[in-house]
Amino acid sequence: NAGVMQNPRHLVRRRGQEARLRCSPMKGHSHVYWYRQLPEEGLKFMVYLQKENIIDESGMPKERFSAEFPKEGPSILRIQQVVRGDSAAYFCASSPTSPGQETQYFGPGTRLLVL
Amino acid sequence: GEDVEQSLFLSVREGDSSVINCTYTDSSSTYLYWYKQEPGAGLQLLTYIFSNMDMKQDQRLTVLLNKKDKHLSLRIADTQTGDSAIYFCAEISDYKLSFGAGTTVTVRA
Repeated sequence: NAGVMQNPRHLVRRRGQEARLRCSPMKGHSHVYWYRQLPEEGLKFMVYLQKENIIDESGMPKERFSAEFPKEGPSILRIQQVVRGDSAAYFCASSPTSPGQETQYFGPGTRLLVL
Repeated sequence: GEDVEQSLFLSVREGDSSVINCTYTDSSSTYLYWYKQEPGAGLQLLTYIFSNMDMKQDQRLTVLLNKKDKHLSLRIADTQTGDSAIYFCAEISDYKLSFGAGTTVTVRA
């Protein structure tokens, strides 16, 4: 049973470009969470999605950031017009069932560097 | 500041025990977690404890929970070089995990 998969593992973008980060949850998991880890900090919650639904995006910046989890395919975190402050590690996690206390399993992360 | 607080660094000699401490804020958290992150890698779930427990032991790992003081600790017995990593404690509120800044554990020979 493959774990949570993320790609790319490393992404370099110039200021003003777009970044698209992909996450495939574990098999049988229909709940996806995105977290951001800034240098020297812990992970911060960004968004929680179920298939075709955004459940909670309270941790996501209001502008330039969007997330989706379509019926088919991976979850996508999209950052438009990236700035240097977007440089961070972005982690996706998944869980099998409804929210509550289900353990979240993390992917290896995508490390975004904005030049 | 962080809602979950941890000391930032711990240096321990190989073979000794490591103790990592954490304080959290949400008394309604029903589970508390310890994750391990090796350089350039993702987070690996090490262990977790249900809030109605005081202690949980899993091989070399012992988790102690003091709910009154909102204090959580992770003890690693017989620390090995492969234990060098950043350790995060986390509490959960609904579905949102809140992490501390992480404790960097360095194991010296």
